[in-house]
Amino acid sequence: GENVEQHPSTLSVQEGDSAVIKCTYSDSASNYFPWYKQELGKRPQLIIDIRSNVGEKKDQRIAVTLNKTAKHFSLHITETQPEDSAVYFCAASSGGSYIPTFGRGTSLIVHP
Amino acid sequence: EAGVVQSPRYKIIEKKQPVAFWCNPISGHNTLYWYRQNLGQGPELLIRYENEEAVDDSQLPKDRFSAERLKGVDSTLKIQPAELGDSAVYLCASSVQGQGHSPLHFGNGTRLTVT
Repeated sequence: GENVEQHPSTLSVQEGDSAVIKCTYSDSASNYFPWYKQELGKRPQLIIDIRSNVGEKKDQRIAVTLNKTAKHFSLHITETQPEDSAVYFCAASSGGSYIPTFGRGTSLIVHP
Repeated sequence: EAGVVQSPRYKIIEKKQPVAFWCNPISGHNTLYWYRQNLGQGPELLIRYENEEAVDDSQLPKDRFSAERLKGVDSTLKIQPAELGDSAVYLCASSVQGQGHSPLHFGNGTRLTVT
């Protein structure tokens, strides 16, 4: 089955800095890569996703890049704000299963 | 639209007792997932339903866990008997799958503590 590795487990930045979270996956058939944000005690919520037919996608301060050859994808957050503080999960799934396999999460702390 | 609704929000039970969780997915979502999230970890799939059919339950510990999705809408997840290691947050999610990927919409989860 799919295996998703996520790094770092904790990321601490100053407000206004950029943050990058990296994930690798093992199944070359995976073709959908969502990112979820989970605030303390709340549900995971989708913030951005990318499909394997594109290499990059951007939504305001958030961008995701995908390298299919290397089987890794990354989340980039620019101009971080304290409200960006949360746990971020990457996930990967293939068209055959529609079952996202999640990484272990990255705890992002943005210091004012 | 109303989101995925789960109940109860919290549950504390003694080991060996039974427990049940309930999930009401977003209207029209044909696919329903139960995930378990341990502290500091990502969600791990327990079971996935397409309508009323369980299409992937390989990660469900069938000796003590059971699930059902009557009429392809609401779902319940049961543990009997509960063990200390079952303490976790149980997340329900729903989506519309079948013609390309769609994102999962999660409920707030049920936090289970087994003492």
